[in-house]
Amino acid sequence: GENVEQHPSTLSVQEGDSAVIKCTYSDSASNYFPWYKQELGKRPQLIIDIRSNVGEKKDQRIAVTLNKTAKHFSLHITETQPEDSAVYFCAAKSGNEKLTFGTGTRLTIIP
Amino acid sequence: GAVVSQHPSRVICKSGTSVKIECRSLDFQATTMFWYRQFPKQSLMLMATSNEGSKATYEQGVEKDKFLINHASLTLSTLTVTSAHPEDSSFYICSARVWDRGQGGYTFGSGTRLTVV
Repeated sequence: GENVEQHPSTLSVQEGDSAVIKCTYSDSASNYFPWYKQELGKRPQLIIDIRSNVGEKKDQRIAVTLNKTAKHFSLHITETQPEDSAVYFCAAKSGNEKLTFGTGTRLTIIP
Repeated sequence: GAVVSQHPSRVICKSGTSVKIECRSLDFQATTMFWYRQFPKQSLMLMATSNEGSKATYEQGVEKDKFLINHASLTLSTLTVTSAHPEDSSFYICSARVWDRGQGGYTFGSGTRLTVV
């Protein structure tokens, strides 16, 4: 089955700086890669996603890049703000519709 | 947008009892529902996939007799934790596949915090 690795597990950045979280996946048939932000005790909230026919997608301060050859994708958050502090999960959807999550990154924005 | 309503949000039960968690799709039909478990400070781990009108498929290592899944209608899937033990205490969350303008995605329930005492 699909295996998704995520790094780093924790990340602290100064407010206003950029944050980058990286994920790799194992199943070359995976074709959908969402990123979620999760507050404690809450459901995952989709912040951006990318499909395998696209290499990059941007939504205001958030961008995602996908390298299908290398089977890795990254989340970029620019001009970070205190409210960006949360746990972020990458995920990959394989052909059987199952969504496999990465191990998570706890992002802390230092004011 | 597509909404999945999950109940209860929190439940405390005694060891040895059973607990039922419900997920309802409010404005769409969910032929498939995914059930996840999340331990503190860990990721969401897929437990099983429920399919309307047929048996659920369980991930390796998940006991199907302990985690009973029923998907009797296109809008309701339930997970019953039978003979619960303290190690079953976790955050359980359901998810359904949704389509918006031809693009697929997932919607999540709000989760159930189960504490077994």
